Amino acid sequence: QVQLKESGPGLVQPSRTLSLTCTVSGFSLTSYGVSWVRQPPGKGLEWIAAIWSGGSTDYNSALKSRLSISRDTSKSQVLLKMNSLQTEDTAMYFCAIFNYGSYYFDYWGQGVMVTVSS
Amino acid sequence: DIVLTQSPALAVSLEQRATISCKTSQNVDNYGISYMHWYQQKPGQQPKLLIYEGSNLASGIPARFSGSGSGTDFTLTIDPVEADDIATYYCQQSKDYPPTFGGGTKLELK
Repeated sequence: QVQLKESGPGLVQPSRTLSLTCTVSGFSLTSYGVSWVRQPPGKGLEWIAAIWSGGSTDYNSALKSRLSISRDTSKSQVLLKMNSLQTEDTAMYFCAIFNYGSYYFDYWGQGVMVTVSS
Repeated sequence: DIVLTQSPALAVSLEQRATISCKTSQNVDNYGISYMHWYQQKPGQQPKLLIYEGSNLASGIPARFSGSGSGTDFTLTIDPVEADDIATYYCQQSKDYPPTFGGGTKLELK
């Protein structure tokens, strides 16, 4: 069945770079797009970035200068890098299958909590 | 960006109907499709897709859930409410980039 699992460092110091990995199974990254969405504690959801089945990428313009999304299809992994982290980047980070055409999030991973603190 | 507005909370009794609203700052319809989607999130869990394109039930979702509306006004209805439905519900638009979410409506028991 379809599964997505996020992994990452948990704690990152301010101004450093965050690297997150989404490992998927049950589907191919060359057939489906994957997005990252984050949720600060007790708050709502914010779309961050997407990588499509053909390898093209989209970013939230508010964060674009700090982001890079890529994939390794041989490992079934989607990678997200975010630099210049601040405390307001503290959040649960989810990856999700992103429907091409109607742009909704079909299936979500369980998420990984990232805390930005010195 | 398109702003989505939801009421923060809604109190409902079991076996009654719950109607959760979502209002958008711009029309999210295009060529007869409403680019409005709904998710359920329980504490400590990831969101789950309930409704896509305004009124289409996602796979495996009970028929107690339904979506309606068009333009800038949308509604998620749960009828009847069961104990397992206590959660926070989010609307999301995808008419324009970036896709944006409402602030969420927490469904509570009376």
